[in-house]
Amino acid sequence: TQLLEQSPQFLSIQEGENLTVYCNSSSVFSSLQWYRQEPGEGPVLLVTVVTGGEVKKLKRLTFQFGDARKDSSLHITAAQPGDTGLYLCAADSWGKLQFGAGTQVVVTP
Amino acid sequence: NAGVTQTPKFRVLKTGQSMTLLCAQDMNHEYMYWYRQDPGMGLRLIHYSVGEGTTAKGEVPDGYNVSRLKKQNFLLGLESAAPSQTSVYFCASSQRQGVNTEAFFGQGTRLTVV
Repeated sequence: TQLLEQSPQFLSIQEGENLTVYCNSSSVFSSLQWYRQEPGEGPVLLVTVVTGGEVKKLKRLTFQFGDARKDSSLHITAAQPGDTGLYLCAADSWGKLQFGAGTQVVVTP
Repeated sequence: NAGVTQTPKFRVLKTGQSMTLLCAQDMNHEYMYWYRQDPGMGLRLIHYSVGEGTTAKGEVPDGYNVSRLKKQNFLLGLESAAPSQTSVYFCASSQRQGVNTEAFFGQGTRLTVV
């Protein structure tokens, strides 16, 4: 079993629609990260959430950290084809940086 | 800005052969990681290092060995490659300052074992 469970595994939407990706765990974390990975590249950090209940915005992306610091969500408003990619959540546990399985997002024009 | 550099970028091995993947970082980071990425499974941690001369096992360490003799380099070895080790391998480094654990990744090594 993975430390971080992501859902859904795959999401295909039309340009302009909204989407939400979830990252859940039974463990409590001091912080949680979201990365985006494009084909042929390594993941790149989007945001780190630290405080329970925290909401961070990055243009059309909104990240939320659960009150209990066990889960997080990523919401994209008015998705664009440039948002296509693999979205990964990650958490550090005593120096071990572990990732969820990822959500593949495809945004078609 | 080189960041994290992995060599080689591609490799085809025959079952039973050995090889070493090299990861080099120029950011003076203490922490380094090796992951494998397979379809539908995200990034799985193979081994990691919290500093020069130290290594530790991750989620899927079997069949791999690592060494961190120099702070800037983290080597991943396959002693006897198996088809199940066909994957894309990523190296990453981070500094871990407080809650900032941002990891910087290399471009990946695509390994095929036939």
